[in-house]
Amino acid sequence: NAGVTQTPKFQVLKTGQSMTLQCAQDMNHEYMSWYRQDPGMGLRLIHYSVGAGITDQGEVPNGYNVSRSTTEDFPLRLLSAAPSQTSVYFCASSYQPAAREQYFGPGTRLTVT
Amino acid sequence: AQKVTQAQTEISVVEKEDVTLDCVYETRDTTYYLFWYKQPPSGELVFLIRRNSFDEQNEISGRYSWNFQKSTSSFNFTITASQVVDSAVYFCALSEARNTDKLIFGTGTRLQVFP
Repeated sequence: NAGVTQTPKFQVLKTGQSMTLQCAQDMNHEYMSWYRQDPGMGLRLIHYSVGAGITDQGEVPNGYNVSRSTTEDFPLRLLSAAPSQTSVYFCASSYQPAAREQYFGPGTRLTVT
Repeated sequence: AQKVTQAQTEISVVEKEDVTLDCVYETRDTTYYLFWYKQPPSGELVFLIRRNSFDEQNEISGRYSWNFQKSTSSFNFTITASQVVDSAVYFCALSEARNTDKLIFGTGTRLQVFP
């Protein structure tokens, strides 16, 4: 099993550009989520999904879109990148919602200039 | 509202010292779940422990132990005889039973263990 994979590992964007961060898991987990990690702020939940076709907002959803067309994939879209979105992004998944152990991907380091 | 506070931003110890990382939480739920995750310098997040609110027994796993006290809303983590490999950022997190879809993290404590 590959676990949770994220691509790319690093990305530099210019303000206003759009891009999609990819996340995939091969553990047949129903629950998937996206977090951002900023210095001094821990991890903050952006969006999450409890199953294919179902998504919901977390603490900091503005500027991000998600969709969940399959159980395996949960891409995160930045529609118009802003410097405030410079961060490390982690995707996670679990068998059940957040009350269970979550498996994290290796992260994507995004810089917006 | 749910909240997790890790007041210690950074702790430095010398190898073989014991160290305790503090975690204080706030919740209005009577059923909730507490977690600790480790983030080593390589960057990935590693699950360490999960505790539900009905189980106040302390847990020991090798050099790691956890002290859960509902009376003080704390879930502290102790590393005994610390080692250089324990150097990492440690996160405490909380999930409420009425909304288990959300996991709220503390801001983390960076532990540096020097040889």
